[in-house]
Amino acid sequence: QVQLQESGPGLVKPSETLSLTCQVSGGSVSSGRFYWSWIRQPPGRGLEWIGDVYYSGTTNYNPSLKSRVTISVDTSKNQFSLKLSSVTADDTAVYYCARLVIVSTIPSWFDPWGQGTLVTVSS
Amino acid sequence: EIVMTQSPATLSVSPGERATLSCRASHSISINLAWYQQKPGQAPRLLIYGASTRATGFPARFSGSGSGTEFTLTISSLQSEDFAVYYCQQYNNWPLYTFGQGTKLEIK
Repeated sequence: QVQLQESGPGLVKPSETLSLTCQVSGGSVSSGRFYWSWIRQPPGRGLEWIGDVYYSGTTNYNPSLKSRVTISVDTSKNQFSLKLSSVTADDTAVYYCARLVIVSTIPSWFDPWGQGTLVTVSS
Repeated sequence: EIVMTQSPATLSVSPGERATLSCRASHSISINLAWYQQKPGQAPRLLIYGASTRATGFPARFSGSGSGTEFTLTISSLQSEDFAVYYCQQYNNWPLYTFGQGTKLEIK
């Protein structure tokens, strides 16, 4: 059974770059049946899709964040990563990694999710 | 961007009763809709996909219906473990996935 685990600093200063890694176990990021995604949830609020990456390195990003986001995959380590630059307090959120299931060539739903990690942007 | 609107924001229901949650899409999304359950301090968990197919581990009291722009999640007889926040998500307009703002199902 695949499991995902986020890791990275819990506190980032304004204007700096947020960096997180998602370690995948029980499955392979090299599987062509999935994309690998990042989703965030500000405290007390709803869910926002940030972007995703395919094992080949192909990426898709939310247009609202595209200028600041980089998602990459490391198949040798079976993990994928998120970088969000020029952060502000509005980027404070729980960040989740999740597997995006491909159905009939269409990336569809997110399953499973990592437990999430809270990242606070503050000086 | 397809906007997903859930109603109500909060639903108060007694254990054993039926709960009906709604999700509306700003444009037709066929049946390309998923539902997630999120309990406090936990990650969301896939509940329904394809608008009506139950994910592994969820009992038959959970059911999804709808197509186009109107969708419903029904819990037929609420158990204590069902009180949570429920989100809908569309994947028709990939690769821009959007979620509803959630419905909090609370004990009456």
